[in-house]
Amino acid sequence: SQTIHQWPATLVQPVGSPLSLECTVEGTSNPNLYWYRQAAGRGLQLLFYSVGIGQISSEVPQNLSASRPQDRQFILSSKKLLLSDSGFYLCAWRLAGSSYEQYFGPGTRLTVT
Amino acid sequence: AQSVTQLDSHVSVSEGTPVLLRCNYSSSYSPSLFWYVQHPNKGLQLLLKYTSAATLVKGINGFEAEFKKSETSFHLTKPSAHMSDAAEYFCVVSDRQAGTALIFGKGTTLSVSS
Repeated sequence: SQTIHQWPATLVQPVGSPLSLECTVEGTSNPNLYWYRQAAGRGLQLLFYSVGIGQISSEVPQNLSASRPQDRQFILSSKKLLLSDSGFYLCAWRLAGSSYEQYFGPGTRLTVT
Repeated sequence: AQSVTQLDSHVSVSEGTPVLLRCNYSSSYSPSLFWYVQHPNKGLQLLLKYTSAATLVKGINGFEAEFKKSETSFHLTKPSAHMSDAAEYFCVVSDRQAGTALIFGKGTTLSVSS
């Protein structure tokens, strides 16, 4: 069966510091991968998605970036965090070619102070 | 463009009474629709999905939803609420033009009282 991991689970970072969040998927190959951000009372916002290694599409222009160095690894980064980057970050995967449902990781709670 | 509207931001029910969470969608083609549930500080769990097969879809934990094309609705129901059903529920439509990403409603918070 497939499993998706995210770490860290929680993170408190000062404004201006860098960020690296990691997501890995086990038990499948060549998944589509997604990063979402959930801010309080605003639902989920798609940040990035990837259909393969090194292929990243950005949905929202901002100071975040994403990379996919390996087939089942997806990383969300920032060089300098802003207060507005605070939120709950969720990684998700989907089996390419299947129906459209996605499966979510446990999330990372980021607080920028 | 695809979109979903969850008609209630908060629904309160008593344990043992029926649950109705309302969702309307907008799509330029036959959509795939989903309901996800999120407990506090947890990831999202897929409750059920509609992908153009049967219009009445049964999911986990006794939930079901009915796809009504004429009403562009996909309401979530459960005959009898349980305390453990208290959570945030999201109605979701697939966006086939954006790498099959999902478009989320703003969520409905379900409270269940004893």
